[in-house]
Amino acid sequence: GAVVSQHPSWVICKSGTSVKIECRSLDFQATTMFWYRQFPKQSLMLMATSNEGSKATYEQGVEKDKFLINHASLTLSTLTVTSAHPEDSSFYICSSRRDYGYTFGSGTRLTVV
Amino acid sequence: AQKVTQAQTEISVVEKEDVTLDCVYETRDTTYYLFWYKQPPSGELVFLIRRNSFDEQNEISGRYSWNFQKSTSSFNFTITASQVVDSAVYFCALSEVPLIVGNKLVFGAGTILRVKS
Repeated sequence: GAVVSQHPSWVICKSGTSVKIECRSLDFQATTMFWYRQFPKQSLMLMATSNEGSKATYEQGVEKDKFLINHASLTLSTLTVTSAHPEDSSFYICSSRRDYGYTFGSGTRLTVV
Repeated sequence: AQKVTQAQTEISVVEKEDVTLDCVYETRDTTYYLFWYKQPPSGELVFLIRRNSFDEQNEISGRYSWNFQKSTSSFNFTITASQVVDSAVYFCALSEVPLIVGNKLVFGAGTILRVKS
């Protein structure tokens, strides 16, 4: 089945640094990638939708300069959290549409200290 | 606008009990897809089922069953003879049809299921 590989699984970084999360579609071409954020005991909140070769579309309230999304190829989309702060600590998950459903990455748990 | 409501925040049952997780949705679309996902403590989302709005047949898969009622905009999920391994967060989600580029999934708040031995 369709697989989206997400790395890293977890990362701890210092405040002020940037962190890049990668999502690769292993056996299909992902023209669209969705990026979600999930706080503890909460639902998945869509942050942005990225389309290969074009600018990402951000949901209302999401800072596009802080959460940089790049979808340069059909198999790779990246989310970079710039100048991370403790409040950015969260679980980030990518997802791509595939046939009649959606496939998800395994998630990245980001802790900013 | 689309909306998915999972009114049960947390449910605790004892192993072997049956449990039903409720899901109510709102959409103006006449065609749509409904999904259920399981999220174990590891965090990954496990796909359980997809149902399109034209198919109101109930479905059974092992200990899992789903009851789709368009008249009440509900898509409830029942686990029969629950097991400890069923402990997880369960999300109901809704998407427009066709699943064209950009159509996103709208998630409910999730229901935490705790199955005690």
